[in-house]
Amino acid sequence: GESVGLHLPTLSVQEGDNSIINCAYSNSASDYFIWYKQESGKGPQFIIDIRSNMDKRQGQRVTVLLNKTVKHLSLQIAATQPGDSAVYFCAENSGGSNYKLTFGKGTLLTVNP
Amino acid sequence: DVKVTQSSRYLVKRTGEKVFLECVQDMDHENMFWYRQDPGLGLRLIYFSYDVKMKEKGDIPEGYSVSREKKERFSLILESASTNQTSMYLCASTQRTGHSPLHFGNGTRLTVT
Repeated sequence: GESVGLHLPTLSVQEGDNSIINCAYSNSASDYFIWYKQESGKGPQFIIDIRSNMDKRQGQRVTVLLNKTVKHLSLQIAATQPGDSAVYFCAENSGGSNYKLTFGKGTLLTVNP
Repeated sequence: DVKVTQSSRYLVKRTGEKVFLECVQDMDHENMFWYRQDPGLGLRLIYFSYDVKMKEKGDIPEGYSVSREKKERFSLILESASTNQTSMYLCASTQRTGHSPLHFGNGTRLTVT
């Protein structure tokens, strides 16, 4: 079936470095994508989203890039901080509506001081 | 900010018990969801509701039912708890119109013994 996957299950970076977390999606009909951050013991927290009519969107210290040609999504975190340590996962609107999201398994980001 | 509140952070129940998980959102969202999150499996949709008294099955509805009597409240019911229902349960909500991200509660960690 259609699924969202991640290239890297874990990522370790130094404080101050930039982080890049990747996600591959398989459903070319998906038109909306979301990145979430989940800290230990908490629910997923919305970070940033992007629609398929865009290829880049920026937020505060975060940028999401969408490459529809290769069905690839990435989250870039600038000047990574210890507070960014968490599991990050992507979600795609594979059902053509905002309630049929398919979630990736997640990447654990560890920021070393 | 959107607030999705789950009534319990931790629950321990015995096999065969009927279990109620409660969720309340304060943003007048039409859509509400129940997911379970398990290591290695990611988030899986159990049920969702797009209006009061309306519900639809998600990907893994077996062993669960839901109730939505008021717009702000969505309850998940385990009719007869089993050990394979030990999991983290996450409630989420979103507005109906357009593409919008799901907002999650902090989860209920349910252990069935």
